[in-house]
Amino acid sequence: AQSVAQPEDQVNVAEGNPLTVKCTYSVSGNPYLFWYVQYPNRGLQFLLKYITGDNLVKGSYGFEAEFNKSQTSFHLKKPSALVSDSALYFCAVRLLRGGYNKLIFGAGTRLAVHP
Amino acid sequence: DTAVSQTPKYLVTQMGNDKSIKCEQNLGHDTMYWYKQDSKKFLKIMFSYNNKELIINETVPNRFSPKSPDKAHLNLHINSLELGDSAVYFCASSQDTSPGFEQYFGPGTRLTVT
Repeated sequence: AQSVAQPEDQVNVAEGNPLTVKCTYSVSGNPYLFWYVQYPNRGLQFLLKYITGDNLVKGSYGFEAEFNKSQTSFHLKKPSALVSDSALYFCAVRLLRGGYNKLIFGAGTRLAVHP
Repeated sequence: DTAVSQTPKYLVTQMGNDKSIKCEQNLGHDTMYWYKQDSKKFLKIMFSYNNKELIINETVPNRFSPKSPDKAHLNLHINSLELGDSAVYFCASSQDTSPGFEQYFGPGTRLTVT
């Protein structure tokens, strides 16, 4: 079945340390991959996407993600975490079905950055 | 200046009532969506419209009826509300249906059915 998985419910990291939020996918064909962030009581905000091209994608707020086709992964990374990065992060993949496509979200990973 | 706006932000109502949530986007996008986020934060698409036409209708009960009067607006009407309808409902839009375009989300409407 085509899907996207975020294996960690929560990631804890100290401020200033690098962070990684994991995402793996299972789709047929070329994947269209996205990361979104949700702050408390807010809507989702787009961070970055991979469509084609360079495997390392840079996005908003200093985040980047690496597309790894052999491992079917699209992990989100940041070299130095900030307390303000604490939020819920969603990985998503576009599923192409017939004449339309839809965005399928992972279950989300809560990132907690401690001072 | 809000790109995607929803009203109301909070909605508390009793079982059996009918309610509507409104969504507007000022981005000039062709495609709009409704998502439901449950208490465990799981997000699932409900409907998608492209230029006022329904293109995605997931397995949503008939009590939910979306309406798009124009491509900048997508409203959601819910009949005979049930306890299980309690959730946060998000509206979103994208430039068009091309899979490479990201979606822009509204702030959400928290629906509580008592």
